[in-house]
Amino acid sequence: EAGVTQFPSHSVIEKGQTVTLRCDPISGHDNLYWYRRVMGKEIKFLLHFVKESKQDESGMPNNRFLAERTGGTYSTLKVQPAELEDSGVYFCASSQTGGYSGNTIYFGEGSWLTVV
Amino acid sequence: GESVGLHLPTLSVQEGDNSIINCAYSNSASDYFIWYKQESGKGPQFIIDIRSNMDKRQGQRVTVLLNKTVKHLSLQIAATQPGDSAVYFCAEMKEYGNKLVFGAGTILRVKS
Repeated sequence: EAGVTQFPSHSVIEKGQTVTLRCDPISGHDNLYWYRRVMGKEIKFLLHFVKESKQDESGMPNNRFLAERTGGTYSTLKVQPAELEDSGVYFCASSQTGGYSGNTIYFGEGSWLTVV
Repeated sequence: GESVGLHLPTLSVQEGDNSIINCAYSNSASDYFIWYKQESGKGPQFIIDIRSNMDKRQGQRVTVLLNKTVKHLSLQIAATQPGDSAVYFCAEMKEYGNKLVFGAGTILRVKS
């Protein structure tokens, strides 16, 4: 069974450009999460989808970030316009159920973004 | 705000020795704790978890200890192997929540 897959694995863009990151969760997982780790900081929560609905987007840093999950399958995270401080690794994760009742959250390998 | 283990120490151990990685958390409302391993170029990989109603849980070669009195979490790895070299993160979650709060991580280096 395929794990959480993310694309692209690495991206280098110029400040002011747009980047769209894609995440394909594990098949059947209704819960999809985005996290990121920017330079020198810990991994931080961005948002959480349940199917196509945004359950919690409290971690989204500002309105330059837009996440979508049309149809409740894959998700995209768009950064527009990108700033230097957006550089880091963006992780997607998925889980079959929400909460922690025996649940395991599976992470993808991350999309490494460098803004120059 | 919430914080979990903001320090990023490096732990170097000899192959075959036991490793102990520590994590301090600040949110006493958290009910669920997870240890993740992240190898270079990969995403966090689940190792072991523990709920707040437990103080110890064992897995294969790994043990997690939870001390709620001092808000401390530790991961013990028995007979550490070179393949254990990675960054280890503790993370916490509130009951019925869905948001993991991560610590900064600990680098584990295993010397052969």
